[in-house]
Amino acid sequence: AQKVTQAQTEISVVEKEDVTLDCVYETRDTTYYLFWYKQPPSGELVFLIRRNSFDEQNEISGRYSWNFQKSTSSFNFTITASQVVDSAVYFCALSEPKAAGNKLTFGGGTRVLVKP
Amino acid sequence: GAVVSQHPSRVICKSGTSVKIECRSLDFQATTMFWYRQFPKQSLMLMATSNEGSKATYEQGVEKDKFLINHASLTLSTLTVTSAHPEDSSFYICSAGKSTGNTIYGTQYFGPGTRLLVL
Repeated sequence: AQKVTQAQTEISVVEKEDVTLDCVYETRDTTYYLFWYKQPPSGELVFLIRRNSFDEQNEISGRYSWNFQKSTSSFNFTITASQVVDSAVYFCALSEPKAAGNKLTFGGGTRVLVKP
Repeated sequence: GAVVSQHPSRVICKSGTSVKIECRSLDFQATTMFWYRQFPKQSLMLMATSNEGSKATYEQGVEKDKFLINHASLTLSTLTVTSAHPEDSSFYICSAGKSTGNTIYGTQYFGPGTRLLVL
């Protein structure tokens, strides 16, 4: 069965520090997709990235970067030079098209608090 | 773009009444939409998968008679909480899947959520 674990429930940093959020997943499928979503205090989930299982290239988008390692079943997310606006809950999610269609399995989320 | 709207954003109702929540994909068509429930400081729990033109598929433990889902068009799904009780108070979020290129299984884009408070 698919499972996503975000071991860190809450991280507190001071502005301009880097913060890395861990995500470890379990799946039996060879084809799967991984996602990161941001949920600010307003509640709306904001899509950040989608990565398929065949693409292990790391990605950078502005201050955000993602490290996908199939060997360790991890898809970690780093925010560089954090800002107060980065304060939110971040969710890692997994979908297995063959086993579960387009359903998403979410991790428990990591709350990031960036202090000025 | 990929914008999903939800209405209402917040609703307060009396115990025993029914509440309808609408989820719309504004700039794309979605054959599949999903309904989630989120309790404070917890993750999202999938309630059901809504398929256009057919019956919804409910997750284990979710009462289909309690949470009625209708997916009447490619851009609209509705969730009706029937005979709501205080324990139904929660944050309800919908999402719609958008396919890109030749990928059948698309990225889910989420609505802003509906906060339901049942008194």
